[in-house]
Amino acid sequence: RKEVEQDPGPFNVPEGATVAFNCTYSNSASQSFFWYRQDCRKEPKLLMSVYSSGNEDGRFTAQLNRASQYISLLIRDSKLSDSATYLCVVNPRGSGGYNKLIFGAGTRLAVHP
Amino acid sequence: GAGVSQTPSNKVTEKGKYVELRCDPISGHTALYWYRQSLGQGPEFLIYFQGTGAADDSGLPNDRFFAVRPEGSVSTLKIQRTERGDSAVYLCASSRTSESSYNEQFFGPGTRLTVL
Repeated sequence: RKEVEQDPGPFNVPEGATVAFNCTYSNSASQSFFWYRQDCRKEPKLLMSVYSSGNEDGRFTAQLNRASQYISLLIRDSKLSDSATYLCVVNPRGSGGYNKLIFGAGTRLAVHP
Repeated sequence: GAGVSQTPSNKVTEKGKYVELRCDPISGHTALYWYRQSLGQGPEFLIYFQGTGAADDSGLPNDRFFAVRPEGSVSTLKIQRTERGDSAVYLCASSRTSESSYNEQFFGPGTRLTVL
C-alpha cells in the first residue's frame, strides 16, 4: 500500500465548476500536510498547508481528518489557469525531527471553456 | 530573490556512465533535499542535508547514488554506473530550517536525466 494515495484523475470540468480532490495517508503519526501544485514539466509549488481546523485561501479550501487519515482540497469557481496536477503531501517528521515530504502520485485537473 | 537553481537542466548519458547533478539552494537556507520524480508519479525522497551533513539518506536506491554538500550550500548528487532505470527528473528543494514541520520546501526546476 502506498503511503499517500490519490485518485489520478483526470478530472475534466468546465470553467466555474466546483471540484474536490481526496487523499488518504497510511502513517497515523504524520505531522503536517500540504497540497502542492505542479504544472506540466515544471517543479512542484506549495499551494497551501492543511491544518486540523481546516483552512481556506480564496477559492481553495483544505480539510484534514486525522481520525480517518484523510485530506481534501476543494476548488470553487474553477479557472482555466487551475489546470495542473495537484499533489497531496504528508510530512511524517521522523524521530530525528527533520522534514521529509511523502508525495502522492497526483490528481490531474483539466478545466475547459 | 533567486530561487533554487539546478544544473544541467537536461542530461543525456549512456548506460554505465557517471553523472553529477548540481543544486544551488536559496541563500541562507540550511536544509536541502533531493527528490526523484518518474513519469506519472509524485516526487520520491532521496536524501536530506542539514548544513553539511546528510541527516537522512534512507531514500537513496543503492550505493551507486551519493550526494555531498561540503560547505553547507551547493549540493551535488552523484550517480555511478548509470542504468536505464535511473532516468527521471531529479528535483532539489531547500527550506530555511527544519525546525517546524510546516517549513515550506522550495523546489528547483529539476534536472531531466535520460540514460540510453
